[in-house]
Amino acid sequence: DVKVTQSSRYLVKRTGEKVFLECVQDMDHENMFWYRQDPGLGLRLIYFSYDVKMKEKGDIPEGYSVSREKKERFSLILESASTNQTSMYLCASSFLLTGGQYEQYFGPGTRLTVT
Amino acid sequence: QQPVQSPQAVILREGEDAVINCSSSKALYSVHWYRQKHGEAPVFLMILLKGGEQKGHEKISASFNEKKQQSSLYLTASQLSYSGTYFCGTDRGNQFYFGTGTSLTVIP
Repeated sequence: DVKVTQSSRYLVKRTGEKVFLECVQDMDHENMFWYRQDPGLGLRLIYFSYDVKMKEKGDIPEGYSVSREKKERFSLILESASTNQTSMYLCASSFLLTGGQYEQYFGPGTRLTVT
Repeated sequence: QQPVQSPQAVILREGEDAVINCSSSKALYSVHWYRQKHGEAPVFLMILLKGGEQKGHEKISASFNEKKQQSSLYLTASQLSYSGTYFCGTDRGNQFYFGTGTSLTVIP
């Protein structure tokens, strides 16, 4: 079974803090994704990576950065957390296939609250 | 950029049918469908890769109209286990976009 794990299910941070969200997958997937999920807005892509040290901005990268030093691990970094970054964060991974033929496997999510 | 889904929410009685629509203002090259149960991670249902393609998964099926830039998900004889939020998604070059989501609640 594919397993995508995220470091925390719930996280509470203060405004201005640096926040690290970690994601690990065990299926040797090339692609890894970070999304945030907000009511009425669905899932919005923050960043994705198709290889170690490679990253691409998604729809809403502002205020976030990412790091992928190892194939199995993809980190999302909030440099200076703000209250509008309070959200559910979902990590996903998939094989790198052409023509959109990739099924994404999701982690359980991290609910981040910034106070 | 994000596909738009309709309806936003629907409540069904067990055994009833439902249709969820997904439309895009830009070309759709593939359509993915996922379901997320409350408090859980989204789970893949199916991918449609070509216009005119139809697929089925138990009593859940989908169609893809490439020309109209639309896809529809059909749930027949709904069961309590179908409750959740359904998302369509599409890839566009290096980007992947999920739709706005449709909350489906099946009641006894």
